[in-house]
Amino acid sequence: GAVVSQHPSWVICKSGTSVKIECRSLDFQATTMFWYRQFPKQSLMLMATSNEGSKATYEQGVEKDKFLINHASLTLSTLTVTSAHPEDSSFYICSAPPPSGTAKGRFEAFFGQGTRLTVV
Amino acid sequence: AQTVTQSQPEMSVQEAETVTLSCTYDTSENNYYLFWYKQPPSRQMILVIRQEAYKQQNATENRFSVNFQKAAKSFSLKISDSQLGDTAMYFCAFMKHSNDMRFGAGTRLTVKP
Repeated sequence: GAVVSQHPSWVICKSGTSVKIECRSLDFQATTMFWYRQFPKQSLMLMATSNEGSKATYEQGVEKDKFLINHASLTLSTLTVTSAHPEDSSFYICSAPPPSGTAKGRFEAFFGQGTRLTVV
Repeated sequence: AQTVTQSQPEMSVQEAETVTLSCTYDTSENNYYLFWYKQPPSRQMILVIRQEAYKQQNATENRFSVNFQKAAKSFSLKISDSQLGDTAMYFCAFMKHSNDMRFGAGTRLTVKP
């Protein structure tokens, strides 16, 4: 099946620095990538939707200047947490639907392995 | 907006027995998709089972089956012959054509030996 590779799997950074998380679709082209955040013992909350070649769409309450999303190619989407603070510590997960037109394209999601971010 | 409700924060079951996890959702859409995902301690999201709303027949995947009640907007997961490896967080999820998923709060399932 389709694979989404997310990197890094975990990162520790100092408060005030920026961290970039990458998600790559390895065997298919992902025109769309969804970014979720999961706090401990909580559910996945959609943060934003990135679309190749256009601006990302952010969910209400998510600061677009703090969580920069770039989807410059059909196989790579990145999330940069800028000026990170301890409250940004969380688990971040990306997911992508397979290309439209495939049998699974209508209802499926392929998840990355997730990134555990700790801001100290 | 679509909401997904899982009213059981935690559940436990004896190995080899059957357990049912509840999920309800709210939507005005007629065509959509429902999922159950398993999240073990590794936190990798693993698809357990999925259901297309236009299909009346309940989906089944080996020991996992669902009871999909469209009118009641209910989508419960039944795990038969529970195994120790089934211990995990289980999330119910809703998706319409745009492919972004909305998740419930999750149910932590513990299978006891």
